[in-house]
Amino acid sequence: QKEVEQNSGPLSVPEGAIASLNCTYSDRGSQSFFWYRQYSGKSPELIMFIYSNGDKEDGRFTAQLNKASQYVSLLIRDSQPSDSATYLCAVGRDDMRFGAGTRLTVKP
Amino acid sequence: NAGVTQTPKFQVLKTGQSMTLQCAQDMNHNSMYWYRQDPGMGLRLIYYSASEGTTDKGEVPNGYNVSRLNKREFSLRLESAAPSQTSVYFCASSQQGVLPLYGYTFGSGTRLTVV
Repeated sequence: QKEVEQNSGPLSVPEGAIASLNCTYSDRGSQSFFWYRQYSGKSPELIMFIYSNGDKEDGRFTAQLNKASQYVSLLIRDSQPSDSATYLCAVGRDDMRFGAGTRLTVKP
Repeated sequence: NAGVTQTPKFQVLKTGQSMTLQCAQDMNHNSMYWYRQDPGMGLRLIYYSASEGTTDKGEVPNGYNVSRLNKREFSLRLESAAPSQTSVYFCASSQQGVLPLYGYTFGSGTRLTVV
């Protein structure tokens, strides 16, 4: 069983819409959760981290965490074509495990 | 500010050859990591070093060795390259603490092909 699961997509949304990206994890003891964005041919870059149940907002991005359901999500409001990338969910700390990523395309 | 620097950026090896991937960070981070990324499989942890002088195996350590040379540098060695090691390799670093939690800063990657 994979430790961190994401829908591979591709997920396509129109410009201005809300993109919703989901992630589940298997280790119930996990305490730290991250979202990275990776453009094609580039390295991952950190978007957000969350470690408490509930929502955390940063600009157009909102991370949501539900530890009871072992579920973390990322919402991107007012999606822009520049948001088109692969989004990686990551769980853990010193041995962080990544999901395979969800490819997002925002169409003008 | 360079961040995390990896060398080389591209490499082609023949099966059985050896090579070392170099990684250096200038952010005074304690922890350093090596990942490989293959299509459809995401990033998989090879080895990590939580602090200078320590190294630990990750998810896919077979066929690799690492050295934490000092606080700045963490190298990955392939002793006898195999085609299954064809991948993109990323080095990362972080300053882990109790709270707040820090994510990783990644290098630009090394694209390795083993023929």
